[in-house]
Amino acid sequence: KAGVTQTPRYLIKTRGQQVTLSCSPISGHRSVSWYQQTPGQGLQFLFEYFSETQRNKGNFPGRFSGRQFSNSRSEMNVSTLELGDSALYLCASSFQGSTEAFFGQGTRLTVV
Amino acid sequence: QKEVEQNSGPLSVPEGAIASLNCTYSDRGSQSFFWYRQYSGKSPELIMSIYSNGDKEDGRFTAQLNKASQYVSLLIRDSQPSDSATYLCAVREQAGTALIFGKGTTLSVSS
Repeated sequence: KAGVTQTPRYLIKTRGQQVTLSCSPISGHRSVSWYQQTPGQGLQFLFEYFSETQRNKGNFPGRFSGRQFSNSRSEMNVSTLELGDSALYLCASSFQGSTEAFFGQGTRLTVV
Repeated sequence: QKEVEQNSGPLSVPEGAIASLNCTYSDRGSQSFFWYRQYSGKSPELIMSIYSNGDKEDGRFTAQLNKASQYVSLLIRDSQPSDSATYLCAVREQAGTALIFGKGTTLSVSS
């Protein structure tokens, strides 16, 4: 059974640009959550989608947005990139009714 | 502000010893608790989940939960060098679906 797949694995962007990250959940999982991991702040929750609806949102500025498609795949977008957005962005999927979340390999974003 | 606290370590143990990792959380209503292992440069891997007070064993791993004390721990028996990693404690918030993570404890097992 394939795990959570995130693309791309690595990205280098310039300040002010925007970026889109993609996440394909484990087959049958309909909940997708996004997290940001930095050395200083650790893992922080960005948002969660279920059945194409944002169900929960963390304390991040509006530059961070996401969406989910009918096949449960999800994208995350960050606009007007700042140096501080450099981080490992992790996607996790969960089966409906389960609280266990399984992470993808992550996308390492570097903003220069 | 919901918080999960862990000692950052490093926690150093010799091969074959028991490693004990601890975590406290602030959201008294939380019902779901998890331990993730993260190797350097990799993503977190779920190794244990626990929902009820007491112990839950899975191979060399035992998770312990005490909701009254808001305390979760992970014991690793017969520690191996391959257990060297950062262990993240995560608590699912009561009113929502987000996982609140501690900063992690770095474990080093020496052979």
